[in-house]
Amino acid sequence: AQTVTQSQPEMSVQEAETVTLSCTYDTSESDYYLFWYKQPPSRQMILVIRQEAYKQQNATENRFSVNFQKAAKSFSLKISDSQLGDAAMYFCAYRSGNYGGSQGNLIFGKGTKLSVKP
Amino acid sequence: KAGVTQTPRYLIKTRGQQVTLSCSPISGHRSVSWYQQTPGQGLQFLFEYFSETQRNKGNFPGRFSGRQFSNSRSEMNVSTLELGDSALYLCASSLTGAPTYEQYFGPGTRLTVT
Repeated sequence: AQTVTQSQPEMSVQEAETVTLSCTYDTSESDYYLFWYKQPPSRQMILVIRQEAYKQQNATENRFSVNFQKAAKSFSLKISDSQLGDAAMYFCAYRSGNYGGSQGNLIFGKGTKLSVKP
Repeated sequence: KAGVTQTPRYLIKTRGQQVTLSCSPISGHRSVSWYQQTPGQGLQFLFEYFSETQRNKGNFPGRFSGRQFSNSRSEMNVSTLELGDSALYLCASSLTGAPTYEQYFGPGTRLTVT
């Protein structure tokens, strides 16, 4: 079974600084997708960034980028120029590319609570 | 386009009762997934519905059930509530449910069992 581990329950960053959130996963599959979701205190989960396993290039979305190390099964999220609005729970998630059966759902890590200091 | 809506937003029930939660997906989306979020267990997948059929199910007891209507709206039901069922229940919709399509989450229903 696939697992996702986020080893940092809480992180803190100064406004305008850069922070990296860690995520490791375990899978025997070769076709899969990885995601970072953000859940602000209002609780609406929002997709931040996604990475297809077959793509070697790291995904980037504005101030958010990932460091995808497939061999090491590592998928970290870097937030540059941190803003107060970045404060939230961040969840790393895995999804199998083998759609259907018991493999079509998102598997989440336990989350990292990010605080942004003004 | 309107986002995913969930009703009610908050619910308080007593042990032994049953509860029904509702989720309206984004217009045009045919897949609806349900997740349970608790401080201890985190986010866990309950089930997924597509075109009125349960296509995928997580590891939850039979007290948890769901259905999907022809307009893609989905309901989940929990019978014989236990204290441990207190959680935030999130639903997510996507176009077809395939991994290439993003899942959009609703605001959740906060269920408290006393």
